[in-house]
Amino acid sequence: GNSVTQMEGPVTLSEEAFLTINCTYTATGYPSLFWYVQYPGEGLQLLLKATKADDKGSNKGFEATYRKETTSFHLEKGSVQVSDSAVYFCALSDSLLNDYKLSFGAGTTVTVRA
Amino acid sequence: GAGVSQSPSNKVTEKGKDVELRCDPISGHTALYWYRQSLGQGLEFLIYFQGNSAPDKSGLPSDRFSAERTGGSVSTLTIQRTQQEDSAVYLCASSPPPASGIGYNEQFFGPGTRLTVL
Repeated sequence: GNSVTQMEGPVTLSEEAFLTINCTYTATGYPSLFWYVQYPGEGLQLLLKATKADDKGSNKGFEATYRKETTSFHLEKGSVQVSDSAVYFCALSDSLLNDYKLSFGAGTTVTVRA
Repeated sequence: GAGVSQSPSNKVTEKGKDVELRCDPISGHTALYWYRQSLGQGLEFLIYFQGNSAPDKSGLPSDRFSAERTGGSVSTLTIQRTQQEDSAVYLCASSPPPASGIGYNEQFFGPGTRLTVL
């Protein structure tokens, strides 16, 4: 079956620090990969996506590259801000069954201090 | 435009009671998903609708859980004889018809219903 393993948190950083959240996956088909973000008091939002190997997703200064050889999709940001404090979820969608349901990692809580 | 809405935002119920949770997807979105977010289990898929039919119910944890969708729009998730382990945030997401040749379908999430079973 499909599964996502995500670096456990919580992670606490100072502003302008470099952030990496590791994510690896197991899938039976050819999944699409996502990072979702949940800001305090808000719903889940799509942060970025990659639909095939070697694709790089990017948004709001965050990047992640779909690495098929290592089955990974690590999230990175070079200089975090206080406003990046949130819970980050790595997820995959395997279209083999044509339903695109998402399998999520456990989530990583990131706190950025001024 | 309007996003996915869910009601109620919070629900407190007593063990053994039935509850209904409602989801209004984005207009025109043909697919609808229910997920559950709980402390012990993280984010879990429950059920998927395409139109009014549910081809994938594999995530429903027991036969106390059921869901329906009418008119290709509103969906209701019903939990019968609630148990304390049902306490969680129930999330609904919708997505538009998949574009041809694209191997994913972006899902737009609602704010969730927080269910507390006493």
